[in-house]
Amino acid sequence: EPEVTQTPSHQVTQMGQEVILRCVPISNHLYFYWYRQILGQKVEFLVSFYNNEISEKSEIFDDQFSVERPDGSNFTLKIRSTKLEDSAMYFCASGAYEQYFGPGTRLTVT
Amino acid sequence: ILNVEQSPQSLHVQEGDSTNFTCSFPSSNFYALHWYRWETAKSPEALFVMTLNGDEKKKGRISATLNTKEGYSYLYIKGSQPEDSATYLCAFLHNDYKLSFGAGTTVTVRA
Repeated sequence: EPEVTQTPSHQVTQMGQEVILRCVPISNHLYFYWYRQILGQKVEFLVSFYNNEISEKSEIFDDQFSVERPDGSNFTLKIRSTKLEDSAMYFCASGAYEQYFGPGTRLTVT
Repeated sequence: ILNVEQSPQSLHVQEGDSTNFTCSFPSSNFYALHWYRWETAKSPEALFVMTLNGDEKKKGRISATLNTKEGYSYLYIKGSQPEDSATYLCAFLHNDYKLSFGAGTTVTVRA
């Protein structure tokens, strides 16, 4: 059964460093998303991506964040200069009416 | 910001007992409601996508109902088993396919 995969499963970085979180969505899906969950809080929408461009983004998704689909399979989330408050579980999803989630990347900013 | 609420936040169930919990959401501009089952370190697993008022869906011992007029959905687990222990998330699907999540109900089934 096709699934969404994410790497790494856990990333530890220092404040101010750049991180790239990687996702491989399900191959015939056209919509891709990033969500995050800060510990103890709700899962929050960050950004959706369709037809090689951002279709919607939340107020969390500021200039420090960017997304890219560098080839036909990967979908990445880049945080340029990480802050302590970026520590969270980041989920990639693909699909539209039905969405399929990856297992998440736990980002720890120290 | 669209407010999706789930209650209770957590519950403990004896193996074999049945249980249910609630998701409430704004009834205006309704498009669809998702239920996910999420175990730690695993992907949230899609359980149901519900769209029609009065909809009832079933997957094994788990079922869900939907009332779009009053803005709530119930998830039921019949004859709970230890493997049902997980966090159950509901999410409101907007017409641009963005999901707004509730905080989840964490179910612990005691053997």
